[in-house]
Amino acid sequence: AQTVTQSQPEMSVQEAETVTLSCTYDTSESDYYLFWYKQPPSRQMILVIRQEAYKQQNATENRFSVNFQKAAKSFSLKISDSQLGDAAMYFCAYRTTLYNFNKFYFGSGTKLNVKP
Amino acid sequence: DTEVTQTPKHLVMGMTNKKSLKCEQHMGHRAMYWYKQKAKKPPELMFVYSYEKLSINESVPSRFSPECPNSSLLNLHLHALQPEDSALYLCASSQDRAGVTVFGPGTRLTVL
Repeated sequence: AQTVTQSQPEMSVQEAETVTLSCTYDTSESDYYLFWYKQPPSRQMILVIRQEAYKQQNATENRFSVNFQKAAKSFSLKISDSQLGDAAMYFCAYRTTLYNFNKFYFGSGTKLNVKP
Repeated sequence: DTEVTQTPKHLVMGMTNKKSLKCEQHMGHRAMYWYKQKAKKPPELMFVYSYEKLSINESVPSRFSPECPNSSLLNLHLHALQPEDSALYLCASSQDRAGVTVFGPGTRLTVL
């Protein structure tokens, strides 16, 4: 079975600085997707960024970028120029392609605090 | 319309009550999901409907009964719940395995 590990339960960053959240996963599949979801206190799960395993190029969405190391099974999220609105719980998620729908395996989450 | 809506936002019920959670999307997505989330934990998948057929039931107790009346609606019927069932219940939808999953805002359920 696939497992996703987030080793940092909580992190803090100063506003305007850069922070990196770690995620590792274990799988025997060659085709899959990886995601970072953000869940602020408002509870809504919001997609931050996604990466297709077959793409070597790291995904980027504005201030958010990933470092995808397929051989090492590592998928870290870098947040640049951190803003107060980035404070949230961040979940790393693995999605198998075995089904015709989306089955996720979530990490345990990292709570990000942003200090003004 | 690019969102998933859930009603109610909050629900308090006794252990003998029967209630339902509702979820709706109008994005043409053909897969819909129920997740349960306890505080400071990741969401746990409960049920998946694909093309209005139940595709996954993750060994959920029978006091939770899902229903998919049509491709836009998903219900979760609750009966004889226990206090440990108190949690945030998230609905989500996706087009297919290549599409993005969109989550609803959740229903905060408290069982007394």
